[in-house]
Amino acid sequence: GESVGLHLPTLSVQEGDNSIINCAYSNSASDYFIWYKQESGKGPQFIIDIRSNMDKRQGQRVTVLLNKTVKHLSLQIAATQPGDSAVYFCAEKTTGNQFYFGTGTSLTVIP
Amino acid sequence: EAGVAQSPRYKIIEKRQSVAFWCNPISGHATLYWYQQILGQGPKLLIQFQNNGVVDDSQLPKDRFSAERLKGVDSTLKIQPAKLEDSAVYLCASSPGQDNEKLFFGSGTQLSVL
Repeated sequence: GESVGLHLPTLSVQEGDNSIINCAYSNSASDYFIWYKQESGKGPQFIIDIRSNMDKRQGQRVTVLLNKTVKHLSLQIAATQPGDSAVYFCAEKTTGNQFYFGTGTSLTVIP
Repeated sequence: EAGVAQSPRYKIIEKRQSVAFWCNPISGHATLYWYQQILGQGPKLLIQFQNNGVVDDSQLPKDRFSAERLKGVDSTLKIQPAKLEDSAVYLCASSPGQDNEKLFFGSGTQLSVL
């Protein structure tokens, strides 16, 4: 199977600081990536996506960066809020149109 | 727009029993996925449907798991017989397909096998 992993399993940040969550993927042919947020007892919720022909995409308070050279993806959350506390997953879409998920990073925002 | 609906929300069974999960995707979504999420891990793909056809079931333990998507809309996932290691959350996701590949997930069914 595919291998999508995260560098840090847990991350704690102060409210108002910026958060950076990293992800390494293994398939250089993957052409589409999504970041998901999962709160306890809920399904993953779409945050932001990026295609392989881009290296940066911005949303509301979130930015995704893609470095295809080193097969690395990051999610930046600006002015982190307590409501951002959750587990964050990156997912890659392979050429076979299957999505593979990493282990996840648990983000805790300290008030 | 209604989201992906799943039922039941929770299920507790004993090992060797059978269980079934139901999923109703977002209206018009051609692609439907079943994922298994063991506690502390990311979702693992079990099976992917395109309309009512199977696209990928390479990670589905076919000796005990089965899934169908009759008429290309609702889907059911069955486990028979269940093992202790099947305890997990079973997530259903759908996507419009074609030019829009975003996955939208349901809340999942939490299965406990005792």
